[in-house]
This record gives sequence, structure tokens and C-alpha cells, in this order.
Amino acid sequence: GAVVSQHPSWVICKSGTSVKIECRSLDFQATTMFWYRQFPKQSLMLMATSNEGSKATYEQGVEKDKFLINHASLTLSTLTVTSAHPEDSSFYICSATISGKNTEAFFGQGTRLTVV
Amino acid sequence: GDSVTQMEGPVTLSEEAFLTINCTYTATGYPSLFWYVQYPGEGLQLLLKATKADDKGSNKGFEATYRKETTSFHLEKGSVQVSDSAVYFCARKSNQAGTALIFGKGTTLSVSS
Repeated sequence: GAVVSQHPSWVICKSGTSVKIECRSLDFQATTMFWYRQFPKQSLMLMATSNEGSKATYEQGVEKDKFLINHASLTLSTLTVTSAHPEDSSFYICSATISGKNTEAFFGQGTRLTVV
Repeated sequence: GDSVTQMEGPVTLSEEAFLTINCTYTATGYPSLFWYVQYPGEGLQLLLKATKADDKGSNKGFEATYRKETTSFHLEKGSVQVSDSAVYFCARKSNQAGTALIFGKGTTLSVSS
């Protein structure tokens, strides 16, 4: 089956620093990838839709200058949390769909970000 | 807007009990419907899906039937195991390619032996 690899699986950083999270589709091309955020004991909230070669589309309320998304190739999207603060601590999950196919989404393992 | 509503948990059952987790959706047209499972400390895994009305998705003893008349996609399992303890998410996706999943809030299932 299609595999999405997310890295790192967990990261601790200091307030004010930036953290980059990678999402790779290992055995398929993904024109579109999605970034979600999950708070403890809550559902996944879509943050943005990442399209290869173009600007990401952010959901209402998500700061695009804080959560920088780059989708430079058909197998890699990155989310950079800039000037992180403790309130940015969360579980971030990416997903991808196979280019040109309306199949289910495949999810990465998630990244646990803790800002201290 | 389009949404997914699933029963709130936690659901606590004994091993071999019958499980139902309710899920209803609102949507324009007929979206694809999914159940995902999240084990502690892990990402989401697709459990089952149905892409059109009356379809039944099944996997690992779990089943869910796409009911357009009641806009529901309830998850059922006849006999749960301790290893089924996890958080279950109902989700919908429009049939337009490149669109994201919309998730319910998740239901925590705890099965004891």
C-alpha cells in the first residue's frame, strides 16, 4: 500500500525557534498533501492544503506566516513552525492522496511538537 | 457547512462485547465515508471505507454501511478485543479530487479483559 513518512516523529524546541516537519510519499506521487493539527483528546483540524509547485491554501484562522508550507516536489511537503511558542505544542499530521486518483488519504505517523 | 458528527466517548466495554459507534454526516451529494483508527502514540490508519450508498465497508471484524436515507455510517463489531482499544474517527471526503477529509471528533474505545 501507499506509504507516507513523516519526520521527525517528535521534537522539543525552545520558544522563539523554528521547527521543520517533513512529509514524504515513499512509493507514489502526491500532487496534493494536507496538514492537520490535533490537540489532546480532540479531532484533527485541517490547517492547510499543500499543492506541488504552488502556494498552499490555508484554512480560516491559520496564520500562513507562522506555518510555512513548501511543496517543492511530488513526493515532499514541509511544514515549518516559525517562532514557535508553547501554544504551538501539538500533534501535527500530514496526509497525501495519489496524484490523479480520488482514493483515500494516506497518513503519516504524526509529529509531536513540544515547545518549552 | 458539511460536517461529521460521531458519538462522544469514552466507550468502555468488556472483551467480546458488541460495539456500535454512531456517525452521521451532512454533505452536498454523496461523499465517500471512512473510519480511521488511531492507536496510542501513533498516526491514523484507515480501518474501512465506503464510496457509495448501500456499500458496506469491512475490515478486522469491523463493519459500517453507507446509509444515505439516514446519512449515517455507524461502526460495528460483534466481539471486541482488548487490542481494539483506540480512538476511532469517522470522516467524509467530497468526490472532488484533491479535497481533504473532514473528521468527526473521535470516539475513544477502551476494552477490558
